[in-house]
Amino acid sequence: GQNIDQPTEMTATEGAIVQINCTYQTSGFNGLFWYQQHAGEAPTFLSYNVLDGLEEKGRFSSFLSRSKGYSYLLLKELQMKDSASYLCAVRDRKEVTFGTGTKLQVIP
Amino acid sequence: GAVVSQHPSRVICKSGTSVKIECRSLDFQATTMFWYRQFPKQSLMLMATSNEGSKATYEQGVEKDKFLINHASLTLSTLTVTSAHPEDSSFYICSARGLAGEGGSYEQYFGPGTRLTVT
Repeated sequence: GQNIDQPTEMTATEGAIVQINCTYQTSGFNGLFWYQQHAGEAPTFLSYNVLDGLEEKGRFSSFLSRSKGYSYLLLKELQMKDSASYLCAVRDRKEVTFGTGTKLQVIP
Repeated sequence: GAVVSQHPSRVICKSGTSVKIECRSLDFQATTMFWYRQFPKQSLMLMATSNEGSKATYEQGVEKDKFLINHASLTLSTLTVTSAHPEDSSFYICSARGLAGEGGSYEQYFGPGTRLTVT
């Protein structure tokens, strides 16, 4: 099985930078995903990390440390539309397990 | 990017009836499809995993006779909720995984979801 932890809620200011952390415990780690989910909608793929290091994609970056069982999603130049839930998901050999998600509220 | 469609997007049915939800991968072959259920303010809960041409693997606590999954082709999987009850009302999301994108990364793409309301 897998155990995934991420903060329940976060608040950040428009234009700022926010980091959402995710820690996990799993056997047979085979990749970590970050998804964005707006209320009432399905998740949207943001990033996939399988090797250690930072992956940058526009305003969003994702970092992975396999030895520490740790990842973070970094959002820069926050916009109001970034208000959503951010789901960390870990793949092992068989399946992908989702964390409970971090609800990010961006305020003016 | 890869696209996964679901149909219908919303359905309202009466208690005791059955509802079928379709999930299609539109521009790639999905070797594996996943069905999730999400209750309000909760995360996605995996219900079952299906590989094309074989029986689905259900997660603990999910009744396979109630949630029938068929993965007849590499682009189509269906979930049938049989004898639906109000407690089955939820947001059902399918996800497809296959060889997509440059470099052959096995990314997992989600359908838009189906909101089921059982009255």
